[in-house]
Amino acid sequence: SAVISQKPSRDICQRGTSLTIQCQVDSQVTMMFWYRQQPGQSLTLIATANQGSEATYESGFVIDKFPISRPNLTFSTLTVSNMSPEDSSIYLCSVEASGGVRDIQYFGAGTRLSVL
Amino acid sequence: KQEVTQIPAALSVPEGENLVLNCSFTDSAIYNLQWFRQDPGKGLTSLLLIQSSQREQTSGRLNASLDKSSGRSTLYIAASQPGDSATYLCAVLSGYSTLTFGKGTMLLVSP
Repeated sequence: SAVISQKPSRDICQRGTSLTIQCQVDSQVTMMFWYRQQPGQSLTLIATANQGSEATYESGFVIDKFPISRPNLTFSTLTVSNMSPEDSSIYLCSVEASGGVRDIQYFGAGTRLSVL
Repeated sequence: KQEVTQIPAALSVPEGENLVLNCSFTDSAIYNLQWFRQDPGKGLTSLLLIQSSQREQTSGRLNASLDKSSGRSTLYIAASQPGDSATYLCAVLSGYSTLTFGKGTMLLVSP
């Protein structure tokens, strides 16, 4: 299993500002994932972050809006840039604990973001 | 593109009832299917994982089945308890570690 700590747990931000969300895992993992869950919607994958390479973004998400860092095998950050009210969502970090083998994905508690 | 649908969207039952949550997916080329539980402020907790070669998995009062060819899975909860109240999410793994989620079933078990 993997224990994931995500910070902050929630935040209220002003339009036009940026917020960086941190994700810390208690073990080394190859792949880390960032998801968004808009109100009343399912989770949508934003990007996959591998250590030592640029993140791979899903259709509809771009690096300028959601820059991601992955400096080592236990840590990643997601920044939500130039925020608007439409960015109000829960953002979740997850990992695939077996390092690429198709195994269970573990999730952090999420960051609940409200943009005014 | 994989799509996952969960029925019903919401369910309210009295304590002690057995219940079934349904999940369907459009592309049967999956690696596995997971059922998660989502509690407010606590993220997602993995309940059961069924590999594509398996038909069912059981954990305590929970039983999940998978019919890959028809694109369906069910989560059976026996003898429901108020502590089971949460949103239940179904997700299928296809492609390269790409999880596709349904919108979930919000379950309320009343004492």
